Amino acid sequence: DQQVKQNSPSLSVQEGRISILNCDYTNSMFDYFLWYKKYPAEGPTFLISISSIKDKNEDGRFTVFLNKSAKHLSLHIVPSQPGDSAVYFCAASETTDKLIFGTGTRLQVFP
Amino acid sequence: NAGVTQTPKFQVLKTGQSMTLQCAQDMNHEYMSWYRQDPGMGLRLIHYSVGAGITDQGEVPNGYNVSRSTTEDFPLRLLSAAPSQTSVYFCASREGGRNEQFFGPGTRLTVL
Repeated sequence: DQQVKQNSPSLSVQEGRISILNCDYTNSMFDYFLWYKKYPAEGPTFLISISSIKDKNEDGRFTVFLNKSAKHLSLHIVPSQPGDSAVYFCAASETTDKLIFGTGTRLQVFP
Repeated sequence: NAGVTQTPKFQVLKTGQSMTLQCAQDMNHEYMSWYRQDPGMGLRLIHYSVGAGITDQGEVPNGYNVSRSTTEDFPLRLLSAAPSQTSVYFCASREGGRNEQFFGPGTRLTVL
């Protein structure tokens, strides 16, 4: 049973437009959510996070939205840049000890 | 700081062989963990440690052993490799009280 789901395996967006990556979860006990970015042949790098007590967190071009009632979070990238092309993983934790990852969404930003 | 380092980058084993994947961090992080990434599966937690001398199991611990004798090092041992352990392995660490984990570059393991 997959507790964190990223239902879109891939997304293609034009440079300068908004990229929206989605993530759904089933465990209502999750209290912290993170987004990681991964380039080929590299480890994931932390991008942005949000606590369950908030519904929005911004960091530059990146904004994460959390809808607890729908058990849904999304990552918005505005404006999208070619360097944003990577695989994005959503992750959630009930305690700080264990992260549960989604399967990832491959974002391609084209000129 | 080198961050989280992993060796080797690539390894090919035969079924039944044993080996140790090395992981080290120089950030004095209390928490370290091992994940495996398989196609279409995301990253899955194998084992983790909240400090020297303390380890616990994650989602997929079978076939793997760990120990944590120092803060810096967290090796992952495969005692008898199986083809199902073909994967990319990532080590990660984080500071106590924080959620953001820092990942190493990964080890790509193939078991024939």
